[in-house]
Amino acid sequence: EAGVTQFPSHSVIEKGQTVTLRCDPISGHDNLYWYRRVMGKEIKFLLHFVKESKQDESGMPNNRFLAERTGGTYSTLKVQPAELEDSGVYFCASSPMMSGYYEQYFGPGTRLTVT
Amino acid sequence: GDSVTQMEGPVTLSEEAFLTINCTYTATGYPSLFWYVQYPGEGLQLLLKATKADDKGSNKGFEATYRKETTSFHLEKGSVQVSDSAVYFCALRDFTSSGGSYIPTFGRGTSLIVHP
Repeated sequence: EAGVTQFPSHSVIEKGQTVTLRCDPISGHDNLYWYRRVMGKEIKFLLHFVKESKQDESGMPNNRFLAERTGGTYSTLKVQPAELEDSGVYFCASSPMMSGYYEQYFGPGTRLTVT
Repeated sequence: GDSVTQMEGPVTLSEEAFLTINCTYTATGYPSLFWYVQYPGEGLQLLLKATKADDKGSNKGFEATYRKETTSFHLEKGSVQVSDSAVYFCALRDFTSSGGSYIPTFGRGTSLIVHP
C-alpha cells in the first residue's frame, strides 16, 4: 500500500511569489490533515479535511494560505503571496476514519524556503 | 492549553550508547502520549504510545513510561545504532469530559545523531 506522498520535496521561492504544495493521501482515507513545522519549533496543525469539506481550519495562519481538496482525493495548499515567515516544512497526514482514534499516517513533508 | 517540552538537540552518541530523550507535558484532560520518529527523507512514523498512567510503550528497542506524577514520557533505548539517527517528536492527544482531540500537540523534536 502506497503511503502519503507530497510534492515537491523542496521548494525555494522569492518573497511575493506563489507556491502550491500537493498531498496525495493513502487511498480510501477520508481524513486529510496539513501541519507545518517552522525551523526548530513544534509541528503545528493547520487544517483538517473530511473528504472534500474543511472540518477544522483553525490553524491556518492567515488568508494568504488556501487549501483545497476537490473530489476528496488529493489536496493542495497554496501560499500567495509568500512571506519569509512561511518558510518551514509542511507535512500532510491522512487517516481512515473520524470516530475513535485512528493513527495519522504522515508524508515526508515539503521543505519550503522563502528568500 | 496543552504543551509538550522536549530536550533540545542534537543529541550525539556513539553506537551502543544508552539513549534518553526527555519529554514533559502539560494537559488539561487525560492525555495519551506518543513518540514519533522521522528518518531522513521519510514521513513521521508512530514509534510508540501509552494511553494511561504507568503504561509503558515499547517498539524497536525503545521504551517510554507514562509518569503522571512527574508529567513525563522520557524515551529510552539501551543500545543505539547508527540506523536510529533521526528526529524524535514527543506528542500528546488530550481527552476531556467533553471529548477527545484528534489533533496531536507536538514538541519541537530532538535530533539524534549516532556515530559508528
